[in-house]
Amino acid sequence: QLQLQESGPGLVKPWETLSLTCSVSGGSIDTNNYSWGWVRQPPGKGLEWIVNAYHDGTTYYKPSLKSRVTISLDTSKNQFSLKLASVTAADTAVYFCTKYYLRSGRALDIWGQGTMVTVSS
Amino acid sequence: DIQMTQSPSTLSASVGDRVTITCRASQSLSNWLAWYQQKPGEAPKLLIYTTSTLESGVPSRFSGSGYGTEFSLTISSLQPDDLATYHCLQYFTWPLSFGSGTKVEIK
Repeated sequence: QLQLQESGPGLVKPWETLSLTCSVSGGSIDTNNYSWGWVRQPPGKGLEWIVNAYHDGTTYYKPSLKSRVTISLDTSKNQFSLKLASVTAADTAVYFCTKYYLRSGRALDIWGQGTMVTVSS
Repeated sequence: DIQMTQSPSTLSASVGDRVTITCRASQSLSNWLAWYQQKPGEAPKLLIYTTSTLESGVPSRFSGSGYGTEFSLTISSLQPDDLATYHCLQYFTWPLSFGSGTKVEIK
């Protein structure tokens, strides 16, 4: 059973870059059957989709975040990462990594447990 | 971008009640609509995809319906374990977008 696990600093200073990694177990990211991405949830608020990327490099972004977001896939480590630049308090959220399986129709079918990131000096 | 309007924001019902949550899309999604259940402190869990297909292991009291711009999630007989927030997701086109969530409380 494929599983996802986020890791990264829980505290980031304003205007610095948030960096998170998602480790994938029980399956390979080296496939274009799925795409890999990130969703976040500010405290007490709803879910916000951020970005998805396929192994062939095709990437989709939330337009309002596109200028600050980088996603990369590392097939040698079977993990993918998110970088969000120039963070502010509005970027404080639980960040989830996700697997997207459109071919089955199952959308975002696997989620990591989530990691809380607080932006504060 | 497609906007998803979800209602109600909060729902309080008794065990055994039938409850319905609605999502409306700003443009047609065909049937590319999913529902997620999120219990406090947990990640969202896929309940239903392509509007009405139950994910494996999801109890049959959950059902989904709709097409185009109007969709609903129904719990036929609310159980204590259903206390959670429910989210809809459109995946007809990028960027993906979620509804604002419905918190289900047990009276």
